[in-house]
Amino acid sequence: TQLLEQSPQFLSIQEGENLTVYCNSSSVFSSLQWYRQEPGEGPVLLVTVVTGGEVKKLKRLTFQFGDARKDSSLHITAAQPGDTGLYLCAGVRAQKLVFGQGTRLTINP
Amino acid sequence: DAGITQSPRHKVTETGTPVTLRCHQTENHRYMYWYRQDPGHGLRLIHYSYGVKDTDKGEVSDGYSVSRSKTEDFLLTLESATSSQTSVYFCAISESTSGGYEQFFGPGTRLTVL
Repeated sequence: TQLLEQSPQFLSIQEGENLTVYCNSSSVFSSLQWYRQEPGEGPVLLVTVVTGGEVKKLKRLTFQFGDARKDSSLHITAAQPGDTGLYLCAGVRAQKLVFGQGTRLTINP
Repeated sequence: DAGITQSPRHKVTETGTPVTLRCHQTENHRYMYWYRQDPGHGLRLIHYSYGVKDTDKGEVSDGYSVSRSKTEDFLLTLESATSSQTSVYFCAISESTSGGYEQFFGPGTRLTVL
């Protein structure tokens, strides 16, 4: 049973388009994180959202935590080939992380 | 760089053989974790440690054991490897940061069980 459901699992779009990745759960987490993983490497943290309704921006990436702290979204504006990678959401619970399945994003030039 | 290394980086073994993967950290972190990553499943926690000789199970612990006799080393052992344990294994440490809480991951070990 996957506690965190990510969608879509695969996404291939053209450079310059916008996209949104969703992370949903029936459970409440103390905070939620988004990681990015390159081939052959471990995941690297992009952002942590803590407060319900919180919105954080990282250049062209916008992260939102749902009001009930059960879901989150990642929106990328004007996607670039350098955004290609595996994006993982993770719920934080008592010094442990629960990961979603991941979204494999491909941005075509 | 959180100073995490994993060894070996790649391993091919046969069903039924024992395998030990090593995670080494240089910064005295208390918490260490072992995950496996498989397509369609993201990362799943196998075991974790919250101090020397203090370990606990994660969500997919069957067939795995761990040991932590020193702060810097966390070992993952497959007593009798099976083909279902073919995966990429990641070690991680956790750290409290200005942003809250963060896990730092090692480079991974690709294990193939034939």
